[in-house]
Amino acid sequence: RKEVEQDPGPFNVPEGATVAFNCTYSNSASQSFFWYRQDCRKEPKLLMSVYSSGNEDGRFTAQLNRASQYISLLIRDSKLSDSATYLCVVNPFSSASKIIFGSGTRLSIRP
Amino acid sequence: NAGVTQTPKFQVLKTGQSMTLQCAQDMNHNSMYWYRQDPGMGLRLIYYSASEGTTDKGEVPNGYNVSRLNKREFSLRLESAAPSQTSVYFCASSPDSLNQPQHFGDGTRLSIL
Repeated sequence: RKEVEQDPGPFNVPEGATVAFNCTYSNSASQSFFWYRQDCRKEPKLLMSVYSSGNEDGRFTAQLNRASQYISLLIRDSKLSDSATYLCVVNPFSSASKIIFGSGTRLSIRP
Repeated sequence: NAGVTQTPKFQVLKTGQSMTLQCAQDMNHNSMYWYRQDPGMGLRLIYYSASEGTTDKGEVPNGYNVSRLNKREFSLRLESAAPSQTSVYFCASSPDSLNQPQHFGDGTRLSIL
């Protein structure tokens, strides 16, 4: 099993839809989690950190499920500008050398 | 508001040539990182520097060297470029190396012929 796994997609949804995707991780000792978005041929940009209690930022909600070892990202009322690749990031040992980036989930929002 | 600046943005090399990728950050961050990203794959850590004066290997260090010149600058050197090193290289920084998100430069697209 890969240390961090994401469904590569693509997810193709209409504008205004709600879409969610998960990221599973294998190391139960993982300490910190993030979601990044990456536009085509651009650098990753932090979307949000993922806290144990879950957190929300506008239309975006991130959840952590430690028992099942996954994090999720929910996007409500999706916009065309949400089209991107979403990367999950897992830090298993609170050490920079062990930070793992998922391969990403491609999301395409259609008009 | 520059953040993390990488140079050059594009480079084409011949096999066996050497070059240095430059990275500088103006956010007073302690930690800096070099990643490579290949098509269909996630970012893979090459080297990182948890603080000024220290460097450590990441997942894929072979064929690369780094220098943390000062707190702001972290360079990546390819001593003898190989076609397998064709990739997009990203530099990143974070306040420290524990539990904090990283900020990325806009990448260097490197092709080795």
